[in-house]
Amino acid sequence: EAQVTQNPRYLITVTGKKLTVTCSQNMNHEYMSWYRQDPGLGLRQIYYSMNVEVTDKGDVPEGYKVSRKEKRNFPLILESPSPNQTSLYFCASSVSTGEQYFGPGTRLTVT
Amino acid sequence: GIQVEQSPPDLILQEGANSTLRCNFSDSVNNLQWFHQNPWGQLINLFYIPSGTKQNGRLSATTVATERYSLLYISSSQTTDSGVYFCAVLAHRNTGGFKTIFGAGTRLFVKA
Repeated sequence: EAQVTQNPRYLITVTGKKLTVTCSQNMNHEYMSWYRQDPGLGLRQIYYSMNVEVTDKGDVPEGYKVSRKEKRNFPLILESPSPNQTSLYFCASSVSTGEQYFGPGTRLTVT
Repeated sequence: GIQVEQSPPDLILQEGANSTLRCNFSDSVNNLQWFHQNPWGQLINLFYIPSGTKQNGRLSATTVATERYSLLYISSSQTTDSGVYFCAVLAHRNTGGFKTIFGAGTRLFVKA
């Protein structure tokens, strides 16, 4: 089954404790990106990757890092999480400008 | 940048009723999608429809790209249709990448 998977689905952590949210797709898509969804602000792009080893900042990259060492994986790293990073996070993939497929989401709470 | 506007913002239906959701966009696009965000937060792909008409069961969508709007039709609504419906278009970045721009959504509640 073609899909985008994210782990963990739910996470509660404390300020400053490094964490990684994994994202993996099995559709051989070149393009992957991360979004966060916040009430009243909608979905905003954090980072994107056009292919292996090619990443760039989205609209709200501060406090996040990404890497794209393999085509299927695009992890999101929070080196020192803060409460304002509490949000619902989505990973997405696509073939270039084609249909976007979204993962199931990761609910992150930083206390 | 491209603006995406959805209407109505909120909609309450009796089970079995039909509805039409509208999405207007401010510039020409070559990529438009409709999503359903269910009460658990998952974004479900409904249609990839840059132009034309598509149908999937009780749902159908039409995009008139030249007039910059898209419509999502829900017929014989069910309680499981409740959630938020998003229209989204692609916007290119100067750096060569792109991002998906979402409308604010239509929040639908279907009463039993």
